[in-house]
Amino acid sequence: QSALTQPASVSGSPGQTITISCTGTSSDVGGYNYVSWYQQHPGTAPRLIISPFTNRPSGVSNRFSGSKSGNTASLTISGLQAEDDADYYCSSYTSSSALVFGGGTKLTVL
Amino acid sequence: EVLLVESGGGLVKPGGSLRLSCAASGFTFSSYSMNWVRQAPGKGLEWVSSIVSSSTYIYYADSVKGRFTISRDNAKNSLYLQMNSLRAEDTAVYYCARSPLLWFGPMDVWGQGTTVTVSS
Repeated sequence: QSALTQPASVSGSPGQTITISCTGTSSDVGGYNYVSWYQQHPGTAPRLIISPFTNRPSGVSNRFSGSKSGNTASLTISGLQAEDDADYYCSSYTSSSALVFGGGTKLTVL
Repeated sequence: EVLLVESGGGLVKPGGSLRLSCAASGFTFSSYSMNWVRQAPGKGLEWVSSIVSSSTYIYYADSVKGRFTISRDNAKNSLYLQMNSLRAEDTAVYYCARSPLLWFGPMDVWGQGTTVTVSS
C-alpha cells in the first residue's frame, strides 16, 4: 500500500490557476474512478472538496475541479484566493481492497 | 448538525493498548460506512480501517492488521478502534470519518481528531 505520489509543494499568486497531480498505478488511480481530494488547513480536520460521485460537495467553490488521465489524477484550482493556502491530499481505492492517500501537497498562495 | 466526536486518545507505553471511540450525531449512523484515518505529527494522512454499515465487511491497512480492531454499535451511534501492541509509529492524530456511499468512497464528514502518543 504505497502512498500515491503528489508534489510536495506548489505555489501561485492570487487569481492564478494551479494544478496538483496525484500519480498512482493501474491498481489504484488508473484502475478505478474512485479518486477523492481533501483540503486541510493547519490544526484542522481534512475537508472533502472533490468526490468521484458528486464532483464538488455542497458548499465547495466551483473554482475546484478534478480530472483523471491514465494513472494520474489532477486537482485544479482556478482564481487562487488567500484561503486556498492549505495542504491537499488525494485518495484512491486500490485493488487490494484498501484505501491509499497521496503524500500531500502544500499550496502556498503568494 | 452532523457531528463526529472522537475520544479515548492519550499517552501509552509501547506494547500497550488503547480504545478510541467516535460518537456520531445528526445523521442516521446505521446507514453509513465509517473509517479511521490517522496523521502522524508533521506527516500526511494514512488510512487505517473501514467498516460497512452492517459490520459485515471490515478492512485494515497492512500497517495495523492483526493489532487493531474496528467495530461499531449502531444502537449507540458509535464507532470504535481497539488498538493493541502499540508502537511508536502509531503516534498520530486519529480521525473518524463517514463514507456516504461505498465504503471506499469519499469521506464527507470528519471528526476533530483525538491524539495518541506511544512513548516510554
